[in-house]
Amino acid sequence: ETGVTQSPTHLIKTRGQQVTLRCSSQSGHNTVSWYQQALGQGPQFIFQYYREEENGRGNFPPRFSGLQFPNYSSELNVNALELDDSALYLCASSLSQGAFEQYFGPGTRLTVT
Amino acid sequence: ELKVEQNPLFLSMQEGKNYTIYCNYSTTSDRLYWYRQDPGKSLESLFVLLSNGAVKQEGRLMASLDTKARLSTLHITAAVHDLSATYFCAVGQRETSGSRLTFGEGTQLTVNP
Repeated sequence: ETGVTQSPTHLIKTRGQQVTLRCSSQSGHNTVSWYQQALGQGPQFIFQYYREEENGRGNFPPRFSGLQFPNYSSELNVNALELDDSALYLCASSLSQGAFEQYFGPGTRLTVT
Repeated sequence: ELKVEQNPLFLSMQEGKNYTIYCNYSTTSDRLYWYRQDPGKSLESLFVLLSNGAVKQEGRLMASLDTKARLSTLHITAAVHDLSATYFCAVGQRETSGSRLTFGEGTQLTVNP
């Protein structure tokens, strides 16, 4: 059984640029959630995708967008990067949209300069 | 809006001592999670508590849930250096569309020899 994977591990971007982060869900999981964890803080829910549809969204502006593909993998896109977007981005997959357990990936560390 | 508060935020303790981390939350919830995070790493699931009075134990860690008081505790028994990490509680909510986790700020635990 393959766990949740994310790519890239680290990346550095410049303010105003756009970035795409990728997540492959655990085998058999059809739901993916994305979280942002700023340094020294707890993760914050960005949004969830279920069967290729956005299925709940946290308090993040529209420049944070996502996709889910038929194989349940997912992308997080952030446009017009700001310095405050620097964070660890965590992807979590679950068996279904209401499943109790969410399995977290290793994260992508984004630095915006 | 759901709020999750942990205390203490920082905890320095000696090996062999006992201590408790508290997690208060502001609204009813389906379930309560505890995670461990090592520096620069992702979240490791420790416990999922699903009902009032639930108690789970793994090694030197024991978690409990009081849904009436909206309080969960993570008790550390005879701490060892390997327990040094940041511990997060998270409250799970099911919504009309999907589910999400709301995290506390985390408790940074340092166990000193």
